[in-house]
Amino acid sequence: NAGVTQTPKFQVLKTGQSMTLQCAQDMNHNSMYWYRQDPGMGLRLIYYSASEGTTDKGEVPNGYNVSRLNKREFSLRLESAAPSQTSVYFCASSEQWGLDEAFFGQGTRLTVV
Amino acid sequence: SQQGEEDPQALSIQEGENATMNCSYKTSINNLQWYRQNSGRGLVHLILIRSNEREKHSGRLRVTLDTSKKSSSLLITASRAADTASYFCATAFRSNDYKLSFGAGTTVTVRA
Repeated sequence: NAGVTQTPKFQVLKTGQSMTLQCAQDMNHNSMYWYRQDPGMGLRLIYYSASEGTTDKGEVPNGYNVSRLNKREFSLRLESAAPSQTSVYFCASSEQWGLDEAFFGQGTRLTVV
Repeated sequence: SQQGEEDPQALSIQEGENATMNCSYKTSINNLQWYRQNSGRGLVHLILIRSNEREKHSGRLRVTLDTSKKSSSLLITASRAADTASYFCATAFRSNDYKLSFGAGTTVTVRA
């Protein structure tokens, strides 16, 4: 019962470096999401994939790209990291887009120096 | 932009007491969900209440929804130290394509 698995759990990047955050779910869910969480601001949606083969921008997409590799996997890429992208990133999935509960991964704590 | 606003921002109670937190929102919703986050962990779903429902229970949790006031409350009865966490409300509404929109959360500390 792995649920939603994110890798890595921690990462430190230098400004300008790139990296990809990986996310996989084993619940056969249709929808997947990437959020970032900053102190005092709750969670903000970066990108989402309502179903396999589709991706859309959320509230704060600038500086990020995503790939829905297959139904299980949804990756988030930072092409040129900036200090403003220091945050905790959460991947989540759900069966029915917005209409039922979302299951979250344990998060990736990213620091950009 | 955040649709849900939790109140209070922080709450400290004694073990065994009840904890109540509120969520207000701006736009008519399809559903409202409550999540818990323990320190350093991911969010865990607690309860989903749909716009045509007024109250739901799950164990020691009770959620109410008042669509006329655009508000919801989460009550935790007989709190335990393990209830220490941050609690978030999230709303899904049609004009936002049902994307879950989270508030900033209420931090609850249960003192032994």
